[in-house]
Amino acid sequence: EAGVAQSPRYKIIEKRQSVAFWCNPISGHATLYWYQQILGQGPKLLIQFQNNGVVDDSQLPKDRFSAERLKGVDSTLKIQPAKLEDSAVYLCASSPRVDNSPLHFGNGTRLTVT
Amino acid sequence: KQEVTQIPAALSVPEGENLVLNCSFTDSAIYNLQWFRQDPGKGLTSLLLIQSSQREQTSGRLNASLDKSSGRSTLYIAASQPGDSATYLCAVRGDSWGKLQFGAGTQVVVTP
Repeated sequence: EAGVAQSPRYKIIEKRQSVAFWCNPISGHATLYWYQQILGQGPKLLIQFQNNGVVDDSQLPKDRFSAERLKGVDSTLKIQPAKLEDSAVYLCASSPRVDNSPLHFGNGTRLTVT
Repeated sequence: KQEVTQIPAALSVPEGENLVLNCSFTDSAIYNLQWFRQDPGKGLTSLLLIQSSQREQTSGRLNASLDKSSGRSTLYIAASQPGDSATYLCAVRGDSWGKLQFGAGTQVVVTP
């Protein structure tokens, strides 16, 4: 099966600019996750979707981050305006269900904010 | 609040030696625990998932144990190979809808 697709792979922007990341999960996977991984740390969940509804966005900085999942398939994560501390790898993952299903991760987007 | 710790942060072993990776968590009320592998510049690959009712899970050269009462899981990799060089992360889920809480990972280097 095709894996989780993410684009772009790399992005360099200046602080206060905006940026968007795109994710296409594995076909048929109902649950989609966006994680932020800062260098040397484990991934931190930003937002979790079940189909096109939000399950958990408690750690999403809502004043600058937004995410949507159109028609329960593709998803976009946006940052506006970006700060230096947003420099990280943004990982998208999907799973068939939310409970005991292993997560399948994409290769991530490495964001550098200068 | 659940906290997941992986010690050591890095280790290096000669090829052929068995690898033992540790993961500890503060809240024993977990739903499941997963071990992942991350190669440089790549996403995470799921290795093993242990349900809260299980004591261990095996896949090929990999074996993961779970001791909820002591808040520990151990990943064993038998007869390590240079291709096993990667960062290994563990993550716990608190309930069926709970988010995964990750450790920071252990970076492993297997030298030929």
